[in-house]
Amino acid sequence: KAGVTQTPRYLIKTRGQQVTLSCSPISGHRSVSWYQQTPGQGLQFLFEYFSETQRNKGNFPGRFSGRQFSNSRSEMNVSTLELGDSALYLCASSPDDNEQFFGPGTRLTVL
Amino acid sequence: KQEVTQIPAALSVPEGENLVLNCSFTDSAIYNLQWFRQDPGKGLTSLLLIQSSQREQTSGRLNASLDKSSGRSTLYIAASQPGDSATYLCAGISGNTPLVFGKGTRLSVIA
Repeated sequence: KAGVTQTPRYLIKTRGQQVTLSCSPISGHRSVSWYQQTPGQGLQFLFEYFSETQRNKGNFPGRFSGRQFSNSRSEMNVSTLELGDSALYLCASSPDDNEQFFGPGTRLTVL
Repeated sequence: KQEVTQIPAALSVPEGENLVLNCSFTDSAIYNLQWFRQDPGKGLTSLLLIQSSQREQTSGRLNASLDKSSGRSTLYIAASQPGDSATYLCAGISGNTPLVFGKGTRLSVIA
């Protein structure tokens, strides 16, 4: 079975731009979660989607948004990028709210 | 609110040594405890999942235990190898909430 895939793997943007990241979960997994990882804050939860509905949301500003499609693929969008948004963005999928399986991440650099 | 602490933050050991990584959590109503490995700049690899009804799980040279009453989990690595060098993260789930991560233990195994 293929693992969680994330595209693109690397991204460089400038302040004020917007960005869309994509995540394809493991086949059959309906839950997709997004995390931001930075050296200072560690791993922080962004949001979780289950069957196209946002089920949980972390403490991030409204510039961060996401959605899930009927095939369970998910996208997250960050608008009006700030320098502090530079991070590794990780997506995880789960079949049953138990074990989480992570993708390789998207490294976003904001200049 | 669940908080997860990992001690030590960094650990350096000679090859062949047995070692223990510690993880403590504040909410004893933890549902699952999951251990991950992360190589530099990469995503998270799931190592072991301990569900609330279990006390330990084993996979090869790895053994993880969970003591909900004391709020602690340990990851035991037997006969460490240089390839074990990575950051090890523990994460807990309480109820219908997303994973809460510790800051990790950075392990270096010296040949």
